[in-house]
Amino acid sequence: SQQGEEDPQALSIQEGENATMNCSYKTSINNLQWYRQNSGRGLVHLILIRSNEREKHSGRLRVTLDTSKKSSSLLITASRAADTASYFCATDRGSTLGRLYFGRGTQLTVWP
Amino acid sequence: NAGVTQTPKFRVLKTGQSMTLLCAQDMNHEYMYWYRQDPGMGLRLIHYSVGEGTTAKGEVPDGYNVSRLKKQNFLLGLESAAPSQTSVYFCASSYDRLAKNIQYFGAGTRLSVL
Repeated sequence: SQQGEEDPQALSIQEGENATMNCSYKTSINNLQWYRQNSGRGLVHLILIRSNEREKHSGRLRVTLDTSKKSSSLLITASRAADTASYFCATDRGSTLGRLYFGRGTQLTVWP
Repeated sequence: NAGVTQTPKFRVLKTGQSMTLLCAQDMNHEYMYWYRQDPGMGLRLIHYSVGEGTTAKGEVPDGYNVSRLKKQNFLLGLESAAPSQTSVYFCASSYDRLAKNIQYFGAGTRLSVL
């Protein structure tokens, strides 16, 4: 069964605007990750946030984690057309076997 | 720096035919995974392996078999393909089970079963 539920399912913005995607999950976790998938390609890891962290930055990406609400958000600042892709959150459900449980993703479209 | 390589990239099968999808990684990763991706469903884990010679079932294992005879290779087999197995298949690998299970994905295999 799906672990993460991304919200919204689709997001359409103009270049230069910020894009915020949310993820909710149901179980305890060791960490939560965000991945990007360009059309017709495999997933690419973007950022990992551990359960004891509240916020993490990587370039134009900012991820927050609220374990009390079992939710995370991914913020992309100053979006570019090249950011157009699907974004997935994934959790480990506390497993140490390396398994990840992915949500259904948010399709982000950034218009020039 | 090949990373994770999947072959073939595309395949069309008739119902009842069999085929094997090959995944190869050159990163000396211990863990490997097979997923399928269907529209609106995200990724669902089919089978995975935590080391050479070991395999385990994921969420949707029925109709598939796997083998991990060599550390760098993970094979996914369809013994008797069904139209419900039309999907995009992704292989992934990771190396550190302790709180850093970042997965590296191949480019995918697009399979159509007629």
